[in-house]
Amino acid sequence: DTEVTQTPKHLVMGMTNKKSLKCEQHMGHRAMYWYKQKAKKPPELMFVYSYEKLSINESVPSRFSPECPNSSLLNLHLHALQPEDSALYLCASSRTDRGLIEKLFFGSGTQLSVL
Amino acid sequence: KNQVEQSPQSLIILEGKNCTLQCNYTVSPFSNLRWYKQDTGRGPVSLTIMTFSENTKSNGRYTATLDADTKQSSLHITASQLSDSASYICVVSASPDSWGKFQFGAGTQVVVTP
Repeated sequence: DTEVTQTPKHLVMGMTNKKSLKCEQHMGHRAMYWYKQKAKKPPELMFVYSYEKLSINESVPSRFSPECPNSSLLNLHLHALQPEDSALYLCASSRTDRGLIEKLFFGSGTQLSVL
Repeated sequence: KNQVEQSPQSLIILEGKNCTLQCNYTVSPFSNLRWYKQDTGRGPVSLTIMTFSENTKSNGRYTATLDADTKQSSLHITASQLSDSASYICVVSASPDSWGKFQFGAGTQVVVTP
């Protein structure tokens, strides 16, 4: 199994809603990532979890709250989002977050629209 | 300033033709360079990964080259197919202590027409 599975694939939410994005991998990877990607732009790193601990937070607003319940799962909790938060949210994983060559495996993403 | 620059921004090629995409980087110290293919609305898929000691790597009709001295890489697509239409992203990693950070280029949008 070399897949990173993200759910849901599409999400429409209002600015007062609370929702969660989910990401799952069963490759035994110990580093998991959240990226945000706007149309025609490269992905921007949001968070990195290494061995279930948050190791990088790229100054992301607190309305985005990551959670790593175990080594296979990564969640992104959303609350009080703004329309400018609409984007493709990508989850990725790698064996570790360091090392000479760590291949990144990406999920298909969740296309989020905030109304 | 972005440490990974890709060119061209976009290109249109006829099915069956070849094309070459460029990636210049300033990331230092250099660890490895990756090329990803990203279909619209989907996650990127890895094509190749090269370290400083590798000059070329192939994956089917995709061939990547790396010149670590000039900090340039290219991705050559041979005998293009309609399914090659996608964004191709160059991603560079710094030293092993980069703490999971990767420098992404803005991508080259390739459109293959019949």
